[in-house]
Amino acid sequence: AQSVAQPEDQVNVAEGNPLTVKCTYSVSGNPYLFWYVQYPNRGLQFLLKYITGDNLVKGSYGFEAEFNKSQTSFHLKKPSALVSDSALYFCASRGNTGFQKLVFGTGTRLLVSP
Amino acid sequence: GAVVSQHPSWVICKSGTSVKIECRSLDFQATTMFWYRQFPKQSLMLMATSNEGSKATYEQGVEKDKFLINHASLTLSTLTVTSAHPEDSSFYICSARFGNEQFFGPGTRLTVL
Repeated sequence: AQSVAQPEDQVNVAEGNPLTVKCTYSVSGNPYLFWYVQYPNRGLQFLLKYITGDNLVKGSYGFEAEFNKSQTSFHLKKPSALVSDSALYFCASRGNTGFQKLVFGTGTRLLVSP
Repeated sequence: GAVVSQHPSWVICKSGTSVKIECRSLDFQATTMFWYRQFPKQSLMLMATSNEGSKATYEQGVEKDKFLINHASLTLSTLTVTSAHPEDSSFYICSARFGNEQFFGPGTRLTVL
């Protein structure tokens, strides 16, 4: 069975500093990987995805993620954090055969301080 | 991008009443829609998958008689929480499939008094 782990419940970073939100996955075969952001009382907004190709994926709002097959990781990164980036971030995976269900990690709360 | 709407965005109801939540794909046809439930500070839990014109497929542990799902058209799926109780209070999020992507609605906060 596939699973996604986000080992940090919360990440604190100062505005202007780089941020990393960690994600590891366990999926048979080559996975589809996603990052979503959720603001309070809102649905999920898509940030980026990895399907195939370049291991470094660039997404919305200056975020990027690096797919590392050997470490089965897909960490979310941003070179310079903004206070407005403070939100709940979810990593998700899906098998690549047919259209399979998304499996979400437990979420990481990002807090960017001024 | 594809837009998914939910209505209402929030609802408060008395215990024992039923509540209907609508999920619409505004600019695309969705053969498959998903309903998720999210408890405070927790991840999304898939409740069921609905395909247009057929019965929904419920995840293990989700009561199908409690959470009625109807996917009557390619742009509308509804979730009805029947005989709601305070423990049903939660944030419900729908998602619609378009091609190989999933797009999420803004969520509905249900509070049962």
